[in-house]
Amino acid sequence: DAGVIQSPRHEVTEMGQEVTLRCKPISGHDYLFWYRQTMMRGLELLIYFNNNVPIDDSGMPEDRFSAKMPNASFSTLKIQPSEPRDSAVYFCASRLWTGTQYFGPGTRLLVL
Amino acid sequence: AQKVTQAQTEISVVEKEDVTLDCVYETRDTTYYLFWYKQPPSGELVFLIRRNSFDEQNEISGRYSWNFQKSTSSFNFTITASQVVDSAVYFCALSPTTQGGSEKLVFGKGTKLTVNP
Repeated sequence: DAGVIQSPRHEVTEMGQEVTLRCKPISGHDYLFWYRQTMMRGLELLIYFNNNVPIDDSGMPEDRFSAKMPNASFSTLKIQPSEPRDSAVYFCASRLWTGTQYFGPGTRLLVL
Repeated sequence: AQKVTQAQTEISVVEKEDVTLDCVYETRDTTYYLFWYKQPPSGELVFLIRRNSFDEQNEISGRYSWNFQKSTSSFNFTITASQVVDSAVYFCALSPTTQGGSEKLVFGKGTKLTVNP
C-alpha cells in the first residue's frame, strides 16, 4: 500500500514568492495533519482536517499560511508571501478515526 | 494539558550496547495512546509502536522492547545490542483515544541516539 505522499520533496524559493506544498493521504484515512519541524521549535502541528473539514488551525503561524483539503485524497499548504523564517521541513500525516498517524517523507523548504 | 518529556537530549553508545530511551508523560485523560517514532538521518518519521493506556503489557519486537508503567507515567524504549543503523532521533508521543477531545498528537522533543561502530 502506498504511504502518505508529499510533493515536492525539496523546494528552494526566494523571499516573497508563493509556495505550495502538496499531500496525498493514505487511502481511507479520514484525518489529515500538517506539521512543521525546525531545530528551534521541534515538531509543531499547524492544522488538521477531519473528513476534509479543517478542525483546528490554531497552530498556523499567521495569515500568510493557508491550508485546504478539496477532497479526501488531496491537501495543500500554501505560504504567501514566503519569508526566510518559514524555512523548515513540512510533514503531512494521516490516520483513521482512531489510530496511528503515518507521516509522509516531508518537504524541505528553504526560503532565501 | 498534555505533556511528553524526553529528558535525554542525546545519547551515544558503542555498537552492541543496550540503550534505554526514557519517556515520561502527563495527561488528564483516562484513556490515551502512547507512541514511539524514529527519525533517521534521512529525515522521514517512522512509526514504531502504539500502546493503549489500558494495556500495560510490555512489548518486544526483535531487538526493540517497550516498558509501559502507568504508575510512573513512563513509556520507556530499550534497544538491545544496538547497531549503527539504530542511529536516529526517537520521539515519544501521546494522544487521547476518545473522539470529541483534542485529536492532537503531542510529541516530546526527541532523543538523538548515536551508535558508534
